[in-house]
Amino acid sequence: DIQMTQSPSTLSASVGDRVTITCRASQFISTYLAWYQQKPGKVPELLIYAASTLQSGVPSRFSGHVSGTEFTLTISSLQPEDVATYYCQAYNRPPHTFGGGTKVEIK
Amino acid sequence: EVQLVQSRAEVKKPGESLKISCKGSGYSFTTHWIGWVRQMPGKGLEWMGIIFPGESDIRYSPSFQGQVTISADKSINTAYLQWSSLKPSDSAIYYCARLGVVPAAPLYYWGPGTLVTVSS
Repeated sequence: DIQMTQSPSTLSASVGDRVTITCRASQFISTYLAWYQQKPGKVPELLIYAASTLQSGVPSRFSGHVSGTEFTLTISSLQPEDVATYYCQAYNRPPHTFGGGTKVEIK
Repeated sequence: EVQLVQSRAEVKKPGESLKISCKGSGYSFTTHWIGWVRQMPGKGLEWMGIIFPGESDIRYSPSFQGQVTISADKSINTAYLQWSSLKPSDSAIYYCARLGVVPAAPLYYWGPGTLVTVSS
């Protein structure tokens, strides 16, 4: 099975900062990678799929990038409403493994 | 509008059985995969498995194979997750979520979750 290593586990940044979260797949998964946002006490929501395609309604400050087996989620200008835990997920074949999550806080 | 309505919260004792449900609407239930995700208290998301309701094709995570049963009743657009003998470690929120028409798809739409508490 594919392992997804997500880092950092926690991130504290100021409003307006550029924030980057990384996910590394244990094997090649092409662009079968999604990012989810889970705000405190809420249901997870799909942010990005196919490594870099924004789900409808997601603000353009979010972006995804892939280089080989390394995937990044970038928030270009962190906003207070972005406080959440972010998860990556590989979905090329079952099991569709999630990364361990990155908790993003405001400094 | 795609909607996934999950059954209410449950409180059970160890050893009891349980079946929770997820009713889909606003799309073709039989042609889209549905998955289940576990979130234990204060922990991350765990992918449990998916089902294609039109053919009851099921793919389990090895971590959950044999521990739970995923099924669906396409006549009432409902997917299920069941346990034959609950353990306290099964206490978690269980989300159902809809994928696409192929299994290699993300979880586009999520249900609100069903909280399962297992305690003596």
